Amino acid sequence: RKEVEQDPGPFNVPEGATVAFNCTYSNSASQSFFWYRQDCRKEPKLLMSVYSSGNEDGRFTAQLNRASQYISLLIRDSKLSDSATYLCVVNRGGGYNKLIFGAGTRLAVHP
Amino acid sequence: DTEVTQTPKHLVMGMTNKKSLKCEQHMGHRAMYWYKQKAKKPPELMFVYSYEKLSINESVPSRFSPECPNSSLLNLHLHALQPEDSALYLCASSQEGDGDQPQHFGDGTRLSIL
Repeated sequence: RKEVEQDPGPFNVPEGATVAFNCTYSNSASQSFFWYRQDCRKEPKLLMSVYSSGNEDGRFTAQLNRASQYISLLIRDSKLSDSATYLCVVNRGGGYNKLIFGAGTRLAVHP
Repeated sequence: DTEVTQTPKHLVMGMTNKKSLKCEQHMGHRAMYWYKQKAKKPPELMFVYSYEKLSINESVPSRFSPECPNSSLLNLHLHALQPEDSALYLCASSQEGDGDQPQHFGDGTRLSIL
């Protein structure tokens, strides 16, 4: 079983749609969680950190469920510029800042 | 604009060449990282430096040799690479190396081995 699992997609949605991505992680010792976005042939860029209480940044909302070892990302009012691969990233913990990346979920927003 | 700068952006080299990848950050971060990313795959960690000391080597072949001259610079020396080493090489940094901070990536060096 992979340490971080995501649905690879692609998710094809029209502009203005709401889309949700899910991610599960296997290591219960993991302490911190992030969503990154990566455009084709570009570097990963931090989208947001994920906190236990849930957090929101504009059209983006992230949730963490530690009991179920599950992370989600909700994008409201999708824009064409949201088209990218969204990487669920988990810190393995154990005293090192070692990030484990999910394989990514592709999102394609069309007019 | 990325705050982690990598050079060169592209590199083509033969299997017998020696070259170096360079990474620089001026955010005062104390941890720096090298990742390798193949097409349609997530980044894979290679090395971690914390306070200029190597703290993690993910069993990377010795043809890759990292170096951290100071807290702002990270190099990756390449020698006798194989065609399967062709990939995007990403440098990242974070505030500390023993905590849970996010990492910030440079825009990478795209490496092709002939």
